Amino acid sequence: GQNIDQPTEMTATEGAIVQINCTYQTSGFNGLFWYQQHAGEAPTFLSYNVLDGLEEKGRFSSFLSRSKGYSYLLLKELQMKDSASYLCAVRTPGGATNKLIFGTGTLLAVQP
Amino acid sequence: EAGVAQSPRYKIIEKRQSVAFWCNPISGHATLYWYQQILGQGPKLLIQFQNNGVVDDSQLPKDRFSAERLKGVDSTLKIQPAKLEDSAVYLCASSFQGLGEQFFGPGTRLTVL
Repeated sequence: GQNIDQPTEMTATEGAIVQINCTYQTSGFNGLFWYQQHAGEAPTFLSYNVLDGLEEKGRFSSFLSRSKGYSYLLLKELQMKDSASYLCAVRTPGGATNKLIFGTGTLLAVQP
Repeated sequence: EAGVAQSPRYKIIEKRQSVAFWCNPISGHATLYWYQQILGQGPKLLIQFQNNGVVDDSQLPKDRFSAERLKGVDSTLKIQPAKLEDSAVYLCASSFQGLGEQFFGPGTRLTVL
């Protein structure tokens, strides 16, 4: 079966650092994506990992360990606008193209 | 560059009625996806097109849902007849190739009463 786990909710303070974890068990793996989704809006791409290690992109970093089926998204210098849902998605091989399986998302609330 | 367009943005219908959603992907994107996102959950893939052919529709409830992409550009998703549990946001996404980053449209929020 396919299973992607994330915490349901997190709260953090403006200016702080927060780490959102994601664990996965899927039949095959061909990359992991993180998306940000503000309430009532479409998901927007944040990061992509296919090899083990850390990918840094401004205030956002994402880490992957394929052997552990584990990833995290690190957000630094939190801003109020970072309040959103963060979706972890695994790309699994299948057919002519690959398929994205999403977790349920982590709702992050940034407080002043 | 224009993003993925969807219409309508909101739709309210009664159960057993029919509804259709429209999606126009980013120009040049061969792969188009329809997702269903129920409140509090992540998007679930309903159907994936590569040009005008179906690549994956394993999670599409085919007794009531149908989708087409006749000319390999625009796509429509239809529900007939709708059930209460179909209340969700229907997201359309596209990618240049099947392995590429997916770009999402704003979604259509469907409420079935």
